[in-house]
Amino acid sequence: GEQVEQLPSILRVQERSSASINCTYENSASNYFPWYKQEPGENPKLIIDIRSNMERKQIQGLIVLLDKKAKRFSLHITDTQPADSAMYFCAAPMNTGGLSGKLTFGEGTQVTVIS
Amino acid sequence: DAGVTQTPRHEVAEKGQTIILKCEPVSGHNDLFWYRQTKIQGLELLSYFRSKSLMEDGGAFKDRFKAEMLNSSFSTLKIQPTEPKDSAVYLCASSLGDNTLYFGEGSRLIVV
Repeated sequence: GEQVEQLPSILRVQERSSASINCTYENSASNYFPWYKQEPGENPKLIIDIRSNMERKQIQGLIVLLDKKAKRFSLHITDTQPADSAMYFCAAPMNTGGLSGKLTFGEGTQVTVIS
Repeated sequence: DAGVTQTPRHEVAEKGQTIILKCEPVSGHNDLFWYRQTKIQGLELLSYFRSKSLMEDGGAFKDRFKAEMLNSSFSTLKIQPTEPKDSAVYLCASSLGDNTLYFGEGSRLIVV
């Protein structure tokens, strides 16, 4: 199955600066890369995703970049606010093509935004 | 519109007990997943159902973990017998099959 490596595991940033999280994957056939946010005591929720036919996607202050050659994708949180403090997970499909809906998750990044 | 519902939210079990966790997926979702979440291992897939059929069942989790889906709106995860290392949050998620997972609030299990 797919392996996803996520770094860093801990990230502390000043309010209004940017936070960046990087993930790498192994299977070059993987075609879907979501990001989930999990606040303390809550369930993970999808915040943004990107498919392999795109290199960049932005939803408000969230930017996802995909480099298929390097098998790397990243999440950039711009103009961070205390409400962005949470655990963030990247994921990739577990099998070729990703049609099953099974996801392998990265180990998570604990983001803390300091006021 | 109801999301994924999991019960119980919290469970404390003694080593050796049998526990059953329950999940109701989002209505109309065909895919259902059970994940285990721990600080050390992160999110690990335990079971995966598509249209009530078991598609994947656990690998390393097979011997004491059994997930079932008796109908399209209800699934259970049985752990028998429990061990302290099973202490974790068990997350159920459902999907339309488009890779977007909707997670329940989770069942936090503590085995003493």
